Formats: sequence, C-alpha cells, structure tokens
Amino acid sequence: KAGVTQTPRYLIKTRGQQVTLSCSPISGHRSVSWYQQTPGQGLQFLFEYFSETQRNKGNFPGRFSGRQFSNSRSEMNVSTLELGDSALYLCASSLGGGDTDTQYFGPGTRLTVL
Amino acid sequence: AQSVAQPEDQVNVAEGNPLTVKCTYSVSGNPYLFWYVQYPNRGLQFLLKYITGDNLVKGSYGFEAEFNKSQTSFHLKKPSALVSDSALYFCAVRVSNSGYSTLTFGKGTMLLVSP
Repeated sequence: KAGVTQTPRYLIKTRGQQVTLSCSPISGHRSVSWYQQTPGQGLQFLFEYFSETQRNKGNFPGRFSGRQFSNSRSEMNVSTLELGDSALYLCASSLGGGDTDTQYFGPGTRLTVL
Repeated sequence: AQSVAQPEDQVNVAEGNPLTVKCTYSVSGNPYLFWYVQYPNRGLQFLLKYITGDNLVKGSYGFEAEFNKSQTSFHLKKPSALVSDSALYFCAVRVSNSGYSTLTFGKGTMLLVSP
C-alpha cells in the first residue's frame, strides 16, 4: 500500500506571496492532519480534516487554511507569506482520526520564504 | 491541557550498548502515547504506541517502551543500539476523553550512536 505523499517536496517563495501544498493520504484513510516543524518551535499542529470537514484547529493565524476533497486528498494554503513561515510542513493520515489511531506521516514539503 | 517533555536534547550511546530515550507526559485523563523517529530530510516514522493493557510495548526495529502511570513516563528503549538508529526521536500524547483529540509532540531527542 502506498504511503502518504506530499507535493511539492521543496518550495521557494518570497514574502507576500501565497503557497498551496498538497497531501494524498494512504488509501482508505479519511483523516488528514497538518503540522509545521521548525527548529525553534518543534512540531506544531495546524489542523485536521475528516470527511471534508475541519475537525480540529491549532493556534495559527487565519493566513493558514486548508481543505479536504471527497477523495480525502487535502491541501493547505498559506497567504501573505512571512519569513517565519519557513518550515517543513508535514501531512499525516489515519483511518478515522480517533484517539487510538496511528498517524502516518508523509515526507514533508520544505518551504523557504525569502 | 496535555503536554509532553523530553528532558534530553541529545543522547549519546556506543553501538551495541542499550539505549534509553526519556519521555514524561502531563494529561488530565487517560493517555495514549506514541513514539516516532525522523531521519534527516524525511517525515516521521511510527515506532510504537501504548493504548491500554501490558505496560511494555514492543515496536518496530527492536524498540520497546514502558508505560509507567505513577511516574507519568513512557521511555523508549532498545537492548543493543545500532549506528543506523541515529536519528531524531519524538514522543507524543493524546488524551482519551475527547474522541478526536489532537496529537501533542515533545521537542524531540537526537540520538547519536557511535561505532
């Protein structure tokens, strides 16, 4: 079974631009979560989608948004990029997103904002 | 609120020796605990989890972890370290009382295994 895939793997943008990242979950998984990883803040939860609905949201500004499609694929968007948005963005999928479910992570998208 | 602490930024061990990576947690409710490993420029790989039952959990690549409720700890262990175990290790926790709670990660511990 194929793992979680994320595209693109690397992105370079300039301040003020916007960016869209894509995540395809493991087949049959309906929950997709997004995380931001930085050296200073570690792994921080952005949001989780299940059946096209945002079920949980982390403490990030409204510039960060996401959505999920009927095939469970998910996208996240960051508008008006800031230098501090440079990070590794990780997507994780799980069967139903329940408390005991294991999340399986993709390789991440490395975003650099200049 | 739930939180996870990994008190050591880095753990150094010689190949063949046992290794321990420490994790303590703080939750109001019953915890579900996870360990992940991250290799350079890669995503996180699932190692093992504790849900309920036996306090000793066995996982991938020879790793195991012991759940200790009284000490609120979930330390990761391996009897004999390999150089290839060198990586960044994350402990994570969820609380069982909300159905669909978020996963909270520790800051990570870098494990360096020397030949």
